[in-house]
Amino acid sequence: AIQMTQFPSSLSASVGDRVTITCRASQGIRNDLGWYQHKPGKAPKLLIYAASSLQSGVPSRFSGSGSGTDFTLTISSLQPEDFASYYCLQDYNYPRTFGQGTKVEIK
Amino acid sequence: EVQLVESGGGLVQPGGSLRLSCAASGFTFSNYWMVWLRQAPGKGLEWVANIGGDGSLPHYVDSVKGRFIISRDNTKNSLYLQLTSLRAEDTAVYFCARDTNYVADGVYYDVFDIWGQGTSVTVSS
Repeated sequence: AIQMTQFPSSLSASVGDRVTITCRASQGIRNDLGWYQHKPGKAPKLLIYAASSLQSGVPSRFSGSGSGTDFTLTISSLQPEDFASYYCLQDYNYPRTFGQGTKVEIK
Repeated sequence: EVQLVESGGGLVQPGGSLRLSCAASGFTFSNYWMVWLRQAPGKGLEWVANIGGDGSLPHYVDSVKGRFIISRDNTKNSLYLQLTSLRAEDTAVYFCARDTNYVADGVYYDVFDIWGQGTSVTVSS
């Protein structure tokens, strides 16, 4: 199975900060990668697919980049509603595998 | 409204069985692959299994192969996950999601675009 290494596992940031989360695949996965946001007790939400395509309705402060093995999710200006956990997910092959997650907390 | 609602979770002893259900509404259920995922306490998300729109081509994560069975009834717009030989490490919130394809630059990508709220399974004596 492809291993997805995501870092940092957690970070503290302030409203307005620029935040970057990184995901590294154990082998090349082209750009077959998505990013999901998850808040406690809620359904996870798709943010980005194809490594850099923004899901409809997701604010433009979210962006994704990367190809091959290295990917990033960037929040350009952190908003109060963005405090959550974020996960990368490879859809290159089976089994689908997630990164370990990054918890974004309020500083 | 497009919606997925899971049910069937609960407390079960190690070695026991449970069947989870996911009721879909607001879309043509049979047109879509569906997927089960889970989140153990204090852990991240884990993909568990998926199944084609006609019930074909199931895939499973290695840790549940031979113990879990994914199935669906398109006449009832429902997805199921039969859990058997349960272990403590299967304790988790189980989510169902719609597994579909989005297109970017003419290429199809697999995404989970609609999720349920989850149902909790606890395996403990």
